[in-house]
Amino acid sequence: ELKVEQNPLFLSMQEGKNYTIYCNYSTTSDRLYWYRQDPGKSLESLFVLLSNGAVKQEGRLMASLDTKARLSTLHITAAVHDLSATYFCAVDPTHYGGSQGNLIFGKGTKLSVKP
Amino acid sequence: NAGVMQNPRHLVRRRGQEARLRCSPMKGHSHVYWYRQLPEEGLKFMVYLQKENIIDESGMPKERFSAEFPKEGPSILRIQQVVRGDSAAYFCASSPPGGGPGELFFGEGSRLTVL
Repeated sequence: ELKVEQNPLFLSMQEGKNYTIYCNYSTTSDRLYWYRQDPGKSLESLFVLLSNGAVKQEGRLMASLDTKARLSTLHITAAVHDLSATYFCAVDPTHYGGSQGNLIFGKGTKLSVKP
Repeated sequence: NAGVMQNPRHLVRRRGQEARLRCSPMKGHSHVYWYRQLPEEGLKFMVYLQKENIIDESGMPKERFSAEFPKEGPSILRIQQVVRGDSAAYFCASSPPGGGPGELFFGEGSRLTVL
């Protein structure tokens, strides 16, 4: 069974600081997604990572994928309050018998950025 | 281009009643997915449908839950004889035809409360 583990699950940061969220998964996959969720809202797609070594950046967020280590990271640079949300990583096990769209989600990292 | 539309956004049911949740995918999308999110948890895949076909229902409970995506109209997730443990947010997502590793686009969810 594919498992996806995120850490930390809770993160309280000060504005201006840097931090990294980690996403480990238990079997080979080369499709990994990062989503953001605000309280009571839907999931907003942040990054789609499709190959080993993929790195994508958008504003203060940068995501990377190491398929050999089965690890993705979401790095936050100079955090601001607007980044406060829950961040989920999700892995697509498609080529191990799942179907497209059968994403396995981590439990999420609840980020709080304080002034 | 409207996003994924779900209704109702909030639904309250008493134990034993039926709940029906509706989802209209993004324009041009022919693949629909239903996920369930329990409080403080990640999303769990339930079912993947295309028009008039259930492609993967490996995440659906065996009893009381059913889903359809008719030729005309929205996709419907039906929960019969609801119990308190069914209280959750139910998210629908869609993706365009053609398969591939594209991202899913999520609706804002339907929050079911069972009294």
